[in-house]
Amino acid sequence: SQQGEEDPQALSIQEGENATMNCSYKTSINNLQWYRQNSGRGLVHLILIRSNEREKHSGRLRVTLDTSKKSSSLLITASRAADTASYFCATALTGGGNKLTFGTGTQLKVEL
Amino acid sequence: ETGVTQTPRHLVMGMTNKKSLKCEQHLGHNAMYWYKQSAKKPLELMFVYSLEERVENNSVPSRFSPECPNSSHLFLHLHTLQPEDSALYLCASSQADRLKGGEQFFGPGTRLTVL
Repeated sequence: SQQGEEDPQALSIQEGENATMNCSYKTSINNLQWYRQNSGRGLVHLILIRSNEREKHSGRLRVTLDTSKKSSSLLITASRAADTASYFCATALTGGGNKLTFGTGTQLKVEL
Repeated sequence: ETGVTQTPRHLVMGMTNKKSLKCEQHLGHNAMYWYKQSAKKPLELMFVYSLEERVENNSVPSRFSPECPNSSHLFLHLHTLQPEDSALYLCASSQADRLKGGEQFFGPGTRLTVL
């Protein structure tokens, strides 16, 4: 299985609701990052959380990291139709230099 | 997507053709990456260049040949591709940090179709 696996694979919610996506990984990391990708486009960096951090906020985004469980979650509050995209977690492995390992992503659809 | 450009955005080629993908970053970064994104698969790292030196080649077939003439430009030369090579090819750049693995900035991608 993958270093980074997102759960769920797909999520459909109504505008205004919160969306939560989870990521699990297998080996020791320096940091974990979340990216967004609109259909057929490049990835956009959202937030980076270091291995010694437990929670981080950026606007409507909240990321948590539990290194004991090797898992992270991304919460998008008060979702908007414009949040419809695929969301990927990526891990920077300890000793892995600049390499990032991406998961398979969660497809989020926010309906009006 | 700003700061990293890729050309062409779409490419259709036959299996006997030779073509090149181009990536340019305007962010002053010193590391550049090629990724392949296929449907239902995780992003696959193909090549990494750090300080213009190739530091990673993830068992990519020789029909893909990267070139990094300077820290701002990255090419992917393609020849005798197979239909299964059809995918979105993404370029990214970052500020190389040997210890930590910082955020990467992606271009919009080239959608490649091999007939």
